[in-house]
Amino acid sequence: KQEVTQIPAALSVPEGENLVLNCSFTDSAIYNLQWFRQDPGKGLTSLLLIQSSQREQTSGRLNASLDKSSGRSTLYIAASQPGDSATYLCAVTGNTGKLIFGQGTTLQVKP
Amino acid sequence: NAGVTQTPKFQVLKTGQSMTLQCAQDMNHEYMSWYRQDPGMGLRLIHYSVGAGITDQGEVPNGYNVSRSTTEDFPLRLLSAAPSQTSVYFCASAGGFDNQPQHFGDGTRLSIL
Repeated sequence: KQEVTQIPAALSVPEGENLVLNCSFTDSAIYNLQWFRQDPGKGLTSLLLIQSSQREQTSGRLNASLDKSSGRSTLYIAASQPGDSATYLCAVTGNTGKLIFGQGTTLQVKP
Repeated sequence: NAGVTQTPKFQVLKTGQSMTLQCAQDMNHEYMSWYRQDPGMGLRLIHYSVGAGITDQGEVPNGYNVSRSTTEDFPLRLLSAAPSQTSVYFCASAGGFDNQPQHFGDGTRLSIL
């Protein structure tokens, strides 16, 4: 059974810091890995999708990497801003098409 | 752009009542799914569909029914509401599940008394 773990559960950093969020998964047979952002009381917004054949994806200040063999992904946020404060979730799509989520990392960026 | 629309946004039910959570998407996506989000449990898949007329169970399907008569709509039915079904419910859609991102609605917050 696929399990997805995110560490840390919560993170507080001063504005301007670069930071890394971690995601690990137990079964490497995945189609893709996605990183989402969730603001309080809102739905999820897809940030980056990395296909199983890819190593990384970049969008603006965000960079996500994927190491399928070790079952790990990282989300790197450069020059963090207070507007980046949110919960970040990673999820893997298995070979049945089902999306399995981690429990998220809640990020607070202090001005 | 509407994207994925869920109704209602909030609902309070009494134990034993039934209701339908509505989900509609206007992106012509084949893949649609329902999740529930609970504190400490994360998001868990309830049911999903890979196209009109095709549905399958996720991790936590008990107590819920779905149908997919059109590409656009994927309603979730609670047959006899129980307090354990108090949760936030999210509907999502995607053009496919291999290289297409999932689009989520804003959720339905459901309380069962």
